[in-house]
Amino acid sequence: LAKTTQPISMDSYEGQEVNITCSHNNIATNDYITWYQQFPSQGPRFIIQGYKTKVTNEVASLFIPADRKSSTLSLPRVSLSDTAVYYCLVGDPNYGGSQGNLIFGKGTKLSVKP
Amino acid sequence: KAGVTQTPRYLIKTRGQQVTLSCSPISGHRSVSWYQQTPGQGLQFLFEYFSETQRNKGNFPGRFSGRQFSNSRSEMNVSTLELGDSALYLCASSFDGSSYNEQFFGPGTRLTVL
Repeated sequence: LAKTTQPISMDSYEGQEVNITCSHNNIATNDYITWYQQFPSQGPRFIIQGYKTKVTNEVASLFIPADRKSSTLSLPRVSLSDTAVYYCLVGDPNYGGSQGNLIFGKGTKLSVKP
Repeated sequence: KAGVTQTPRYLIKTRGQQVTLSCSPISGHRSVSWYQQTPGQGLQFLFEYFSETQRNKGNFPGRFSGRQFSNSRSEMNVSTLELGDSALYLCASSFDGSSYNEQFFGPGTRLTVL
């Protein structure tokens, strides 16, 4: 199972772009990269998922280089409400159809200041 | 579409007691996973159920058990509670449990063991 490494914490200011990088050196060929966001006392919420190159949705972009050993979650123009913990996960969608291979690390605690 | 619901939201028990937590997945979702979240250990996978069968299990003692009913609702049980079982217990549902598909988390049950 591919483990992930993320910074423990990051600080930013409102209106800035935030980039959180995740390292997954042992990513397997079939693994997808998924990011979740979690606010205090709430369950995590799916943000974005990708396999290679770039994926963009209404809230974030995910950049994955060709070797796929890392990925970067980009949050454009953050606001105070983006203060949360962000988790990077790597997993094989076809691994027995089970979610058991998804491992949540400690995540990155993002603090957005006014 | 209604989200994942968990009951109760808060629970206080004493050591040695047992507790049952309930999770109702999103309609149409057949996979339910349970996680334990503590400040020290982060988000840890307990087990996953799909079509009333446990498909995967994390590294937790046998005091932690679960089941899934024919309507996909799931319960988890913790027997002989210990102080260290105090945590936020989260349930997540997805269509088929594949990590390619988004997991939808409930608000969690906050268990306090005194």
